[in-house]
Amino acid sequence: DADVTQTPRNRITKTGKRIMLECSQTKGHDRMYWYRQDPGLGLRLIYYSFDVKDINKGEISDGYSVSRQAQAKFSLSLESAIPNQTALYFCATSDPRTGSYEQYFGPGTRLTVT
Amino acid sequence: RKEVEQDPGPFNVPEGATVAFNCTYSNSASQSFFWYRQDCRKEPKLLMSVYSSGNEDGRFTAQLNRASQYISLLIRDSKLSDSATYLCVVNEGGSYIPTFGRGTSLIVHP
Repeated sequence: DADVTQTPRNRITKTGKRIMLECSQTKGHDRMYWYRQDPGLGLRLIYYSFDVKDINKGEISDGYSVSRQAQAKFSLSLESAIPNQTALYFCATSDPRTGSYEQYFGPGTRLTVT
Repeated sequence: RKEVEQDPGPFNVPEGATVAFNCTYSNSASQSFFWYRQDCRKEPKLLMSVYSSGNEDGRFTAQLNRASQYISLLIRDSKLSDSATYLCVVNEGGSYIPTFGRGTSLIVHP
């Protein structure tokens, strides 16, 4: 089984709808991240969390919110989706206590807002 | 915004060729450096960390030049399976928040 899972894998929604993307991990890592990837723009950080009580905005947090329900779960919400939020969304984890800052990514959620 | 710059390519090379990518970063306080590989529509995966002394893993060699603020990735004896996008990642000091470059596309042809 994958260590970092994301649901749904694909989603098409309409402008104005609320949508939640979910991420779960079995790696026991404290740090979790949400990124979006657009063609030609690379990965951009939306939010990150160093533990359940520590949530921080990333580079492009406007229009998004997050919830860290437990160490293993980190959800990303779009309160009112708009077409320019169409992108590939990745969740990732890391744990510096291992001595490495390697990020482990989920398989991604492809979101289309029409 | 702290910048990590990469030549997007594509680099189109024949099998067996040697190819090199560079990545420059703007934040002199950056502490750790990585190369990730991303296949089309897949998640990025760590290829190798980049150490100050340089490091090698098989056909791949990564180097760091702190004075000039760039890292490099050299791939020798390219294989068809090396075709992918290579992402440069720089972690700033303190919180070690990663900043990703936009990626360099490599196409290895027969």
